[in-house]
Amino acid sequence: GAVVSQHPSWVICKSGTSVKIECRSLDFQATTMFWYRQFPKQSLMLMATSNEGSKATYEQGVEKDKFLINHASLTLSTLTVTSAHPEDSSFYICSASFSLNTGELFFGEGSRLTVL
Amino acid sequence: SQQGEEDPQALSIQEGENATMNCSYKTSINNLQWYRQNSGRGLVHLILIRSNEREKHSGRLRVTLDTSKKSSSLLITASRAADTASYFCARLNTGGFKTIFGAGTRLFVKA
Repeated sequence: GAVVSQHPSWVICKSGTSVKIECRSLDFQATTMFWYRQFPKQSLMLMATSNEGSKATYEQGVEKDKFLINHASLTLSTLTVTSAHPEDSSFYICSASFSLNTGELFFGEGSRLTVL
Repeated sequence: SQQGEEDPQALSIQEGENATMNCSYKTSINNLQWYRQNSGRGLVHLILIRSNEREKHSGRLRVTLDTSKKSSSLLITASRAADTASYFCARLNTGGFKTIFGAGTRLFVKA
C-alpha cells in the first residue's frame, strides 16, 4: 500500500516555542492531505484539510494562526504549532488521500508533542 | 459531533475467541471503512465496504453493512494477541471528501 512518512515521531518543547511536523507521501502524489489530532484513548478529530498549492481548510474551532499548514508540493505537507502551550500537547497524525471519492486514507505514524 | 457511535468502547477476550465490534452512523454513505490503530501509532486501513454491499471478507476479518439500520460490524475470527489494538469505523462526511472517524473500540486479546 501507499506509504506516508511523518516526522518527527515525538518532540518535547518549551512553552512559547514553535514546532513543525512534516508529512510526506513517499510513493504517490497527494493533492490532499488531512491533519488529525488525537487525545489519549479518544478518536481522531479532523483539524484541517491541506490542499497542494492553496490555503488549508480548517475545521470549526481550530485556530488557523495557531496551527499553520503548508502544502507546498504534491508530496509534502507541514503542520506548525506556533507558540505552543501545554494544552497543545497531543498526538498529531497526518494522512493522505489516495482517492477522494472513497475517502480511503493512508496514515503517517503520528507525532507525539509534549509542551512543557 | 464528527463521530459516529461504536460499541463496545472496550472489549477484552481470550486468544482464539471471536471479536465483534459495531458501528452506527446517522447520514447516508457511499461506503464505510474500518481502520486499526496500534497504541501510539498511525492508523492502518483494513477494509472498505460499499453501500451496495452487505458483507465483505478479508482474511480473518468479516465486515457487514446494513444501510437500513445505518450500522456496520467488524468481526475478527480466531483472534490473536497481536490483534490487540483500537479499531475505528470511518465514513466520508455528507457531500464532501473528509473522512470522519467513529469513537473506536479498544480490543484487548489475552494470550
